[in-house]
Amino acid sequence: EAGVAQSPRYKIIEKRQSVAFWCNPISGHATLYWYQQILGQGPKLLIQFQNNGVVDDSQLPKDRFSAERLKGVDSTLKIQPAKLEDSAVYLCASSFADHVSGYTFGSGTRLTVV
Amino acid sequence: SQKIEQNSEALNIQEGKTATLTCNYTNYSPAYLQWYRQDPGRGPVFLLLIRENEKEKRKERLKVTFDTTLKQSLFHITASQPADSATYLCALDMGWGKFQFGAGTQVVVTP
Repeated sequence: EAGVAQSPRYKIIEKRQSVAFWCNPISGHATLYWYQQILGQGPKLLIQFQNNGVVDDSQLPKDRFSAERLKGVDSTLKIQPAKLEDSAVYLCASSFADHVSGYTFGSGTRLTVV
Repeated sequence: SQKIEQNSEALNIQEGKTATLTCNYTNYSPAYLQWYRQDPGRGPVFLLLIRENEKEKRKERLKVTFDTTLKQSLFHITASQPADSATYLCALDMGWGKFQFGAGTQVVVTP
């Protein structure tokens, strides 16, 4: 079974620039999540999609972050403009709708804002 | 949201011994609690899920307990091996498929 694909693997940008991350979840997984993981901390939920609808984006800094899930499959997360404190690993995860079989995470995108 | 506490200090353990990790939470008891393993540079990998009405769950050398009275889950790795060295995260159900993660505890197993 193919895993959750994310790209790019690494990204370095200057503050105030924009950046986009892409995620392709496991086929058949209705739910998709974007998490932010700062070094030494656990993953923090940014946004949750069920198919192509947003279930929860309460912790997404909407003044600079946006996300979409086209046709209920792939998803992109964008930051514009980036701040130094956005330096983190951005993880995409997907799961079945029942949620009890756990999340499958991608390897993440490590973002460094300089 | 919950306050989730996992030991921030690394757990150093000798090969063959049992590693025991704790996950404490402060507010409501979740319907589910999950444990994940995370290796450096990788995303977390799902290990086990335990429901609030289950006291214990096992998978191979792993055992998880869930005590809603103490608001605590324990995660045990028996007969630990150097390959078990990683960071272990607990995650609490927040409803609607959302899970809140702890900061994780690093386990180092030495031969």
